[in-house]
Amino acid sequence: DTAVSQTPKYLVTQMGNDKSIKCEQNLGHDTMYWYKQDSKKFLKIMFSYNNKELIINETVPNRFSPKSPDKAHLNLHINSLELGDSAVYFCASSPRLTASSYGYTFGSGTRLTVV
Amino acid sequence: LAKTTQPISMDSYEGQEVNITCSHNNIATNDYITWYQQFPSQGPRFIIQGYKTKVTNEVASLFIPADRKSSTLSLPRVSLSDTAVYYCLVGGVEYGNKLVFGAGTILRVKS
Repeated sequence: DTAVSQTPKYLVTQMGNDKSIKCEQNLGHDTMYWYKQDSKKFLKIMFSYNNKELIINETVPNRFSPKSPDKAHLNLHINSLELGDSAVYFCASSPRLTASSYGYTFGSGTRLTVV
Repeated sequence: LAKTTQPISMDSYEGQEVNITCSHNNIATNDYITWYQQFPSQGPRFIIQGYKTKVTNEVASLFIPADRKSSTLSLPRVSLSDTAVYYCLVGGVEYGNKLVFGAGTILRVKS
């Protein structure tokens, strides 16, 4: 059983398109996140949700809209894709909002390529 | 959040012990030191966490001097499969909902 699963693993799309990435965790965690890893391998947080409530929005363009239908799912929808959106997007979860930094579980990532 | 500095890359050979040092001069009293490992095409994975002195688990050891301004991740007898990026993170529980990753150290293990 995969603890944090993301789909799709690879996504190639044209500029201007709208796409979604789905994430599900079966760990019973309360908090979920989206991280972006750029070509230089820096990992930066984008959003966090705690029990379906948005907690962190790290100055991400409003073309990115997360949606959490329940605490086990956090999807990421991206409108009007741009070349600069090409990156690997990681979903993660932690037991609770104030979990120690050891408690995170990451998915295997979605490599988004915008052409 | 305390800023961390690590070597950009390190090379090693199979069977050797590898020590990766992280500097965190501005570490706060309630900050913990956490290391994550990231293999190619995978998300980061927790390795070890400590507050002071020495912590050891089945994967690695973490050495933290008394002033806590640095820490050393020690990987005993590395194998090719230990080739990965290793991230040092410093923060307290109140920052636990927002992991801040630095550039990490690329460890390349050769045969």
